[in-house]
Amino acid sequence: EVQLVESGGGLVQPGGSLRLSCAASGFTFSSYAMHWVRQAPGKGLEYVSAISSNGGSTYYANSVKGRFTISRDNSKNTLYLQMGSLRAEDMAVYYCAREDGRWGQGTLVTVSS
Amino acid sequence: DIQMTQSPSSLSASVGDRVTITCRASQGISSWLAWYQQKPEKAPKSLIYAASSLQSGVPSRFSGSGSGTDFTLTISSLEPEDFAIYYCQQRSDWPPTFGGGTKVEIK
Repeated sequence: EVQLVESGGGLVQPGGSLRLSCAASGFTFSSYAMHWVRQAPGKGLEYVSAISSNGGSTYYANSVKGRFTISRDNSKNTLYLQMGSLRAEDMAVYYCAREDGRWGQGTLVTVSS
Repeated sequence: DIQMTQSPSSLSASVGDRVTITCRASQGISSWLAWYQQKPEKAPKSLIYAASSLQSGVPSRFSGSGSGTDFTLTISSLEPEDFAIYYCQQRSDWPPTFGGGTKVEIK
């Protein structure tokens, strides 16, 4: 069974940092591009970042460029999102998603002093 | 970025009704369109990819159509478990932008 399990969310102060992880199982992780998508409370879906299957190519939304870094460890079947200089507007549920539309359950990031 | 516009933003319908949701892209995206269903406090679930291909396990009452800039998601006969928010997403260009969502509520 395909599973994507996010972790690492929590409460962080404005300007702080957080690293999200997404543990994948049930499929050949190294064969798929992976994405991070977020959803602010009561709002719609916003693409955050993406990484190719081998990690050689990455994409960032303008809203996070220069502050967030996506990476992956195919030996550990894990996707990461290193988030820095966090702002109130980064508060959201962060989902990891496989390129063909399979999503994890999400992890909540709260940015507040 | 390609803008995706869904309509309506919400609708009220009864069990058994036929429901149609539209999605318009700001530029042509061929058939690079997906539809998702999201229930409260849950992750989005993929329903349709490539505009009209049903994901495995999705009931056949769901169907998608369209190409270019105009797309449609149809639920042929609404079931109680279909009350949710539906999003379209273009996969033609980076970033893979989403529509604003259509909330399907019980009449």
